[in-house]
Amino acid sequence: ETGVTQSPTHLIKTRGQQVTLRCSSQSGHNTVSWYQQALGQGPQFIFQYYREEENGRGNFPPRFSGLQFPNYSSELNVNALELDDSALYLCASSASGRAEETQYFGPGTRLLVL
Amino acid sequence: EDKVVQSPLSLVVHEGDTVTLNCSYEVTNFRSLLWYKQEKKAPTFLFMLTSSGIEKKSGRLSSILDKKELSSILNITATQTGDSAIYLCAVEAYNTPLVFGKGTRLSVIA
Repeated sequence: ETGVTQSPTHLIKTRGQQVTLRCSSQSGHNTVSWYQQALGQGPQFIFQYYREEENGRGNFPPRFSGLQFPNYSSELNVNALELDDSALYLCASSASGRAEETQYFGPGTRLLVL
Repeated sequence: EDKVVQSPLSLVVHEGDTVTLNCSYEVTNFRSLLWYKQEKKAPTFLFMLTSSGIEKKSGRLSSILDKKELSSILNITATQTGDSAIYLCAVEAYNTPLVFGKGTRLSVIA
């Protein structure tokens, strides 16, 4: 157990709907990164938040957006869901955005879009 | 574009066998290479490698980085059924996020 929690664990939505996924970082960590892991693929970086500011973004469209709160928990919002958004969404927290600070992953939210 | 390639993509071995998993990368401004084990959902951290030629070891697992060949290997000796998992390799460059490979799915059968 890493101390990183995510909710919900599973979610089923239909195309065009919107979804919000939540992540609580490990105590003492101020950086949260979000990843999308499609079946049979490695995790792909969506974006990172450091002290409530976006601190880097991967190759994902603007309908993927996020927030970080003063307690460093974070949300991932996806609008206008598409079938290809079906994946495991992982968040990882670290004490800073630096490489020498190990990222600890949460258990993920499995999203299915029908 | 930064790229991480893992091989093999899947592997089936018997308990007690030794396995070697490979990871090669093409990254500008390399900073570190990390190995993770993913059993059900959350990847769990195994090793971080930054210097070439220095082996990191944890029990039956060990890993080494070759910066000249832009690659790393993860060795598991005396495999057990509990080692069955997806092993992910990720590379971090300066000012860029982690780039993961597709993973190697290891199945250890009794």
